[in-house]
Amino acid sequence: NAGVTQTPKFRILKIGQSMTLQCTQDMNHNYMYWYRQDPGMGLKLIYYSVGAGITDKGEVPNGYNVSRSTTEDFPLRLELAAPSQTSVYFCASSYSGTSGSYEQYFGPGTRLTVT
Amino acid sequence: GQQVMQIPQYQHVQEGEDFTTYCNSSTTLSNIQWYKQRPGGHPVFLIQLVKSGEVKKQKRLTFQFGEAKKNSSLHITATQTTDVGTYFCAGDNLNTGNQFYFGTGTSLTVIP
Repeated sequence: NAGVTQTPKFRILKIGQSMTLQCTQDMNHNYMYWYRQDPGMGLKLIYYSVGAGITDKGEVPNGYNVSRSTTEDFPLRLELAAPSQTSVYFCASSYSGTSGSYEQYFGPGTRLTVT
Repeated sequence: GQQVMQIPQYQHVQEGEDFTTYCNSSTTLSNIQWYKQRPGGHPVFLIQLVKSGEVKKQKRLTFQFGEAKKNSSLHITATQTTDVGTYFCAGDNLNTGNQFYFGTGTSLTVIP
């Protein structure tokens, strides 16, 4: 299993540009998450999904959009990039059942700079 | 809103010394997870605690979940250079369910 894969690894955007961060998992996990991590800080939840076709906002959703058309893929869309969106973006997946949530598996991250 | 704080923010220890990081939530948690992130890496799951007052051990690491399920701690005995990294707690809020709130993290440096 590849686990959670993210592309690209690095990206530089100009202010106002748009891009999509890709995330794929091959563990058949029902839950997927997008986090951002600013330098020296913890992770903040942007959006999450409990299954294909279902998404919901996290702590910091403004300026982002997501979709979940398949179990495997959970892309994150940035519209009109702003310098405040400079961060490292992590995608994660987990299985959650009747007993609750289980460990989250993280992708390697995408380092995004907006100038 | 939900807040999860960790102290200390940074800790420098001599190799062989013990280390503890504390995690405090503003609300009651349904469970708590601990992660380790090496510099330049991604968070890696260490453990999950679910029950009030639960204590779990992994070799030199001891994890505790408070009786009120609002705080937790991670204790490392006799640190090694391989323990270097940032340790995060993440709580699953009783009210918000599937959202995990990560703590601010404790960065551990081990001096050989």
